[in-house]
Amino acid sequence: DGGITQSPKYLFRKEGQNVTLSCEQNLNHDAMYWYRQDPGQGLRLIYYSQIVNDFQKGDIAEGYSVSREKKESFPLTVTSAQKNPTAFYLCATARGKTYEQYFGPGTRLTVT
Amino acid sequence: KQEVTQIPAALSVPEGENLVLNCSFTDSAIYNLQWFRQDPGKGLTSLLLIQSSQREQTSGRLNASLDKSSGRSTLYIAASQPGDSATYLCAVTGANNLFFGTGTRLTVIP
Repeated sequence: DGGITQSPKYLFRKEGQNVTLSCEQNLNHDAMYWYRQDPGQGLRLIYYSQIVNDFQKGDIAEGYSVSREKKESFPLTVTSAQKNPTAFYLCATARGKTYEQYFGPGTRLTVT
Repeated sequence: KQEVTQIPAALSVPEGENLVLNCSFTDSAIYNLQWFRQDPGKGLTSLLLIQSSQREQTSGRLNASLDKSSGRSTLYIAASQPGDSATYLCAVTGANNLFFGTGTRLTVIP
């Protein structure tokens, strides 16, 4: 997880609250990604961004929002519209779409 | 839509044994295939990346092969060690997405 920082490691929220997960990188990579991991399922793509000020929805974007104002940062907001937000969230970066992806250490979000 | 399957879901082997993990995918139009390692509660560590034009990649005791036409990849681990115990994930890169398998949980018994 070298140059990718995700904070906090554990996050607890009450149902109905929005929460923002941080992802910062110093690898100078253009592309950044957010994935969600649930037990027994593969990672699923939430949002990705290939360049600053641009991002696209992944397979499960509903209930999530992102911004990419700086190359180094790609925060993910889990809104109250997300029906089942409790999960392990992973941020990744890559030099470009066809390049190797590098992952951060993850944030475990628990919503009760 | 691309589907990635990893079999078996779990595998236990005695220390020192050579082993093969399998990954299959349904759409051969991929840019590359990556193998990752994940320890419990941690992020993913990239092990090997095979570009679509390549047949295999090696790193230390690890060797990954890719047969795009048949939609298959294997990860070979030589002389397994207890420290190799982890979940191994394969992922293929399509036009706009990285598709993951559900992983093989490997336990190497001392």
